[in-house]
Amino acid sequence: DGGITQSPKYLFRKEGQNVTLSCEQNLNHDAMYWYRQDPGQGLRLIYYSQIVNDFQKGDIAEGYSVSREKKESFPLTVTSAQKNPTAFYLCASSIEGDTAKNIQYFGAGTRLSVL
Amino acid sequence: DAKTTQPNSMESNEEEPVHLPCNHSTISGTDYIHWYRQLPSQGPEYVIHGLTSNVNNRMASLAIAEDRKSSTLILHRATLRDAAVYYCILRDYDMRFGAGTRLTVKP
Repeated sequence: DGGITQSPKYLFRKEGQNVTLSCEQNLNHDAMYWYRQDPGQGLRLIYYSQIVNDFQKGDIAEGYSVSREKKESFPLTVTSAQKNPTAFYLCASSIEGDTAKNIQYFGAGTRLSVL
Repeated sequence: DAKTTQPNSMESNEEEPVHLPCNHSTISGTDYIHWYRQLPSQGPEYVIHGLTSNVNNRMASLAIAEDRKSSTLILHRATLRDAAVYYCILRDYDMRFGAGTRLTVKP
């Protein structure tokens, strides 16, 4: 069954701690994305990657870091520099990079809260 | 930066058609019009997309105005499972989500 798997579903972060959110896809997609969603708001782009070993900052990259060592995986680290990390985090992928007609497929999300 | 305008919320009765409007007066010639929906506590789900012509798929229809400055997502028979936030997005080189329209379906 092809799709995008995000884990964990819920995550708690202590003050000053870095946490890593996992995103894995078996759709053979080249491009992957991370979004943040705050309550009642739309999605905002954190980082995206169009190919292995390459990624670009989105609109709100400060306090976050990513890696793309494998085509299937695009983990997001929320660092201690992100002062307001409580949000719903969504990972997505698409066949190629950001071309106008490409559909993005989303995971089920990770809800991050601060203890 | 092309933007869209959607009503904050709409209501529909079950088994009736729903027309969700979207205005995009600053659309450029290369922007595709995409619609996604998001059920509570889930990731967004692709619904439909188009460039100039009206489009139909198993989920919905997309009617695009001749001048492309507006479009309408049509759910032909709303069900309770269609209750979600619907996002209209202009897609060129990236995809930017606004607040969308929250659709409530009444039994």
